[in-house]
Amino acid sequence: GQNIDQPTEMTATEGAIVQINCTYQTSGFNGLFWYQQHAGEAPTFLSYNVLDGLEEKGRFSSFLSRSKGYSYLLLKELQMKDSASYLCAVRGPVAYSGAGSYQLTFGKGTKLSVIP
Amino acid sequence: GAVVSQHPSWVICKSGTSVKIECRSLDFQATTMFWYRQFPKQSLMLMATSNEGSKATYEQGVEKDKFLINHASLTLSTLTVTSAHPEDSSFYICSPKISSYEQYFGPGTRLTVT
Repeated sequence: GQNIDQPTEMTATEGAIVQINCTYQTSGFNGLFWYQQHAGEAPTFLSYNVLDGLEEKGRFSSFLSRSKGYSYLLLKELQMKDSASYLCAVRGPVAYSGAGSYQLTFGKGTKLSVIP
Repeated sequence: GAVVSQHPSWVICKSGTSVKIECRSLDFQATTMFWYRQFPKQSLMLMATSNEGSKATYEQGVEKDKFLINHASLTLSTLTVTSAHPEDSSFYICSPKISSYEQYFGPGTRLTVT
């Protein structure tokens, strides 16, 4: 099975940098996703990592270490609109074939509050 | 990103009635559609996987006779909540299988059963 842990809540100041960590224990690994979800809305895709290292996309970066079962999402130059929940999701076990390898298991999400 | 639509965006129904939720992929063909649900203050949980032209597969604990999934075409998958009860009130979201490095979600359907 999959076990994914991330902090429940974080608070950061506008203009600052915040790092949201995610650790996972899985029976297989086929990629890790980060999503942003505003209250009452569906998740929106932020990033995807399947190999170790850092992926940068504008103000958002995501890092993965497969050997440590660890990822983080880094948000720079925080804006008030970044206040949202951030979901870490691991893609299904590699051992599954077909659609099973595309299933996502989500962490409980980290609620980020950006304050002035 | 991929364009996925859901209809309705929200629905209120009485206990015991059935509700159909449509998920359409607007600019691509989806052979596989994942259906998730999210209860208040919880994360997304996979309910079932639908495949075009074949039976859906359901996750453990999800009743296949209660949550009917039809994937009759490459652009439309439907989820019908039969004999809905208040505990079925949730946010239902579809997600098409696109590629190995992309996974998008529809805008979701908020179901409230009174």
